[in-house]
Amino acid sequence: DAKTTQPNSMESNEEEPVHLPCNHSTISGTDYIHWYRQLPSQGPEYVIHGLTSNVNNRMASLAIAEDRKSSTLILHRATLRDAAVYYCILRDVEGFGNEKLTFGTGTRLTIIP
Amino acid sequence: GAGVSQSPSNKVTEKGKDVELRCDPISGHTALYWYRQSLGQGLEFLIYFQGNSAPDKSGLPSDRFSAERTGGSVSTLTIQRTQQEDSAVYLCASSLQVSNQPQHFGDGTRLSIL
Repeated sequence: DAKTTQPNSMESNEEEPVHLPCNHSTISGTDYIHWYRQLPSQGPEYVIHGLTSNVNNRMASLAIAEDRKSSTLILHRATLRDAAVYYCILRDVEGFGNEKLTFGTGTRLTIIP
Repeated sequence: GAGVSQSPSNKVTEKGKDVELRCDPISGHTALYWYRQSLGQGLEFLIYFQGNSAPDKSGLPSDRFSAERTGGSVSTLTIQRTQQEDSAVYLCASSLQVSNQPQHFGDGTRLSIL
């Protein structure tokens, strides 16, 4: 499986935008880029996913590099509730029938009031 | 609407005892997954049920671990003869049986083996 690389930790001030990077230089053409986050004492929560084009939803935006070897999750205005571990995960859609998620160590995001 | 429900939320038991952990997936979700998260570790895949097909058991760490899913809905993860290294948070997730669908997680069962 293609792997992802994320910084271990990041800090951001409350009410400012946050850009969480993810490198995936060995991504294949059929890999979707998924982001999940895990708040303290909770199970992971789906955030967003994309293939080639940038994506927006109510939670965040996903910016995907033209060569797809990196991506950035953007929280437009961080709140204290956004403090969590953020996971960047690749999912191969040709692997239908083996849909497990492979979690790395993620980025621990701390929001400073 | 109702999300994935897991019970119990916490379980403390003595080494050597058997434990059963329960997962109620979101109604209509035919795919169900079990993961575990040890202290300070990432999430580790255990087993995956997909509709009526044979489950993918490739992540189960030993034959002391088993899981079943009755009637295509509720699932039970059983750990026999528990060991201290089994202490972890056990997480269940469900999704629609369509490729690339998000997985919806419960809040897990925190298992502590004394």
